[in-house]
Amino acid sequence: GAVVSQHPSWVICKSGTSVKIECRSLDFQATTMFWYRQFPKQSLMLMATSNEGSKATYEQGVEKDKFLINHASLTLSTLTVTSAHPEDSSFYICSARDPTSGSFNEQFFGPGTRLTVL
Amino acid sequence: AQSVTQPDIHITVSEGASLELRCNYSYGATPYLFWYVQSPGQGLQLLLKYFSGDTLVQGIKGFEAEFKRSQSSFNLRKPSVHWSDAAEYFCAVGASENTPLVFGKGTRLSVIA
Repeated sequence: GAVVSQHPSWVICKSGTSVKIECRSLDFQATTMFWYRQFPKQSLMLMATSNEGSKATYEQGVEKDKFLINHASLTLSTLTVTSAHPEDSSFYICSARDPTSGSFNEQFFGPGTRLTVL
Repeated sequence: AQSVTQPDIHITVSEGASLELRCNYSYGATPYLFWYVQSPGQGLQLLLKYFSGDTLVQGIKGFEAEFKRSQSSFNLRKPSVHWSDAAEYFCAVGASENTPLVFGKGTRLSVIA
């Protein structure tokens, strides 16, 4: 099956700094990637839809200036948490659609990135 | 807009016992339904999916799910649970090719000896 990786898997940063999280589709080209956020013992909440070569579409309530998404290539999308604060601490998960998978709307998920802001 | 309800927050079963995790969805048309499993601190692994056709879907690790349109349900089942099945299970629904998935709140499964 298709593989999606995320880097880093765990990051700790000081309040006020920016953190970049990478999401890569390793063996397929993903025109669409999704970024989710998951609080402890909670479900996944969609933050934004990232389309290669165009601006991301953010869900209501998600600050686009705080969570910068760049989908510069068909295999890479990045999420940058700018001026991070402790309330941004969370588990961030990306997923990618493989348009050649033959399965409608099937998304492949990355392993997630645990962000802790001190 | 579609939505997913998983009524059970936490379920505990004995190893070897059968399991059923409930999932109800709300969507006007035929949805695309998924079950994912998440181990602590890990990403999501797809167990099975339903798009169309046979309403009883077989997945990995011995799981199956049945789509019941009349009940708007897509319950996950396993005849005999193993200790390694302890994890968080998420039901999700998708509406169309380019829309992201909407997830239920998850059901945490604990397995006791």
